[in-house]
Order: sequence, then C-alpha cells, then structure tokens
Amino acid sequence: LAKTTQPISMDSYEGQEVNITCSHNNIATNDYITWYQQFPSQGPRFIIQGYKTKVTNEVASLFIPADRKSSTLSLPRVSLSDTAVYYCLVGDPERPGSSNTGKLIFGQGTTLQVKP
Amino acid sequence: SQTIHQWPATLVQPVGSPLSLECTVEGTSNPNLYWYRQAAGRGLQLLFYSVGIGQISSEVPQNLSASRPQDRQFILSSKKLLLSDSGFYLCACKQGLLSPLHFGNGTRLTVT
Repeated sequence: LAKTTQPISMDSYEGQEVNITCSHNNIATNDYITWYQQFPSQGPRFIIQGYKTKVTNEVASLFIPADRKSSTLSLPRVSLSDTAVYYCLVGDPERPGSSNTGKLIFGQGTTLQVKP
Repeated sequence: SQTIHQWPATLVQPVGSPLSLECTVEGTSNPNLYWYRQAAGRGLQLLFYSVGIGQISSEVPQNLSASRPQDRQFILSSKKLLLSDSGFYLCACKQGLLSPLHFGNGTRLTVT
C-alpha cells in the first residue's frame, strides 16, 4: 500500500495561500491522488483528484511533480471557514495494479488553522 | 448523485451491550462500501470494506463485525461493546473508476 505522510498541523492567516504537501514515495504507476477536507463531526468531503502535473478546480489546485512521489494541495486566499483537517489518499480500488486495491486507508491528515 | 443515510446520529450505550449501525445508499448500484471509525482528535481508521453483497474484508480484529445483506445496505455490529468502541462511525461509498469517496453524516457512539 502507498503510505502517505503529511504535516500534522499548519497555521495560516485569512487571505493567504496555503500549500499542504503529502509524501507518497511508493505510489504505484496506476494510482491517483485524492484530497479530502473534514470539518468536526462531519464526514470528509472530496476536494480534488489528479494523476500528474497540475489540476485546478473552483476551490483548489493540485500540483504533482514528474516522479509523483509527492503532491501539494494549494488553497488560494484561505478564509476562516477553511479551518479543517485535510487528508491525501493514494490509490483506486477499481484500477488493477493499484497499491490500494479494495481498500482506502487515510493517513493522519493535516489540521489547518486559519487565523483572522 | 449518491446519498448515504446513516442512523442514528448519536448513540449512548452501556459497556457489554450490543450494537447495530445501519448504512443505506441511494443513487447508485454495486458500490464499494466502507466503515470507518474516528476516535476523538484522531484520524480515520478503516474498519471494514465490501466490494459486493456478502463480501466483507476486515481491517481490524476485536469485537466488531460487518454485513452486507443487500447491494446498498451495510451494517456494523457488535455483540458486546467495549469502552474503546466509543467514537465517530462513518459509512462511505465509492462508485466507479476514479470516483471519490462519499461519506454519510456519521454516528457518534459513546460507550459508558
């Protein structure tokens, strides 16, 4: 299984850009990288997913270098409501050869605290 | 789109009592289903996952079990609860290649 490593916590201020990096040194060729956001007492919510280079949607960007051994979630101009735990997840059970076949195991996550 | 129903939202049970948490999914067929547990201030621990009816894979030992009697129904059970079973239980669903996990609203279980 592709194990992920993230910083335990990060602090930021409103209006700043926040970058959270996840290491996944043994990612498999067919694995995708997915990021989730979790607020207290709620289930995680999908943010963004990618395979290589850069992916952008309305809430975030995901940067993946050529070796794919890490990925960086970028949140532009954070607000207080972005205070949450952020998880990266590697693999896909539907894709043969995935390092996460059949099961999806989350890492520790990064607690982002946005201050006014 | 998929909708995941979990109930109850909160539950207080004495040690040694049985447990049954139910999760049902709408808007999809033949999904992969998951049970996760989150202790206070901790990350998500995968308990069970299922790729089809009657197919259950366990990630943890101990006194919990899971069943999938129907395609869109996933049940988490215990015959005798322990104090350490307290936590936030989340059911999740995944449908199709590259689809993300969708989570229910969870059940907060307190074992006293």
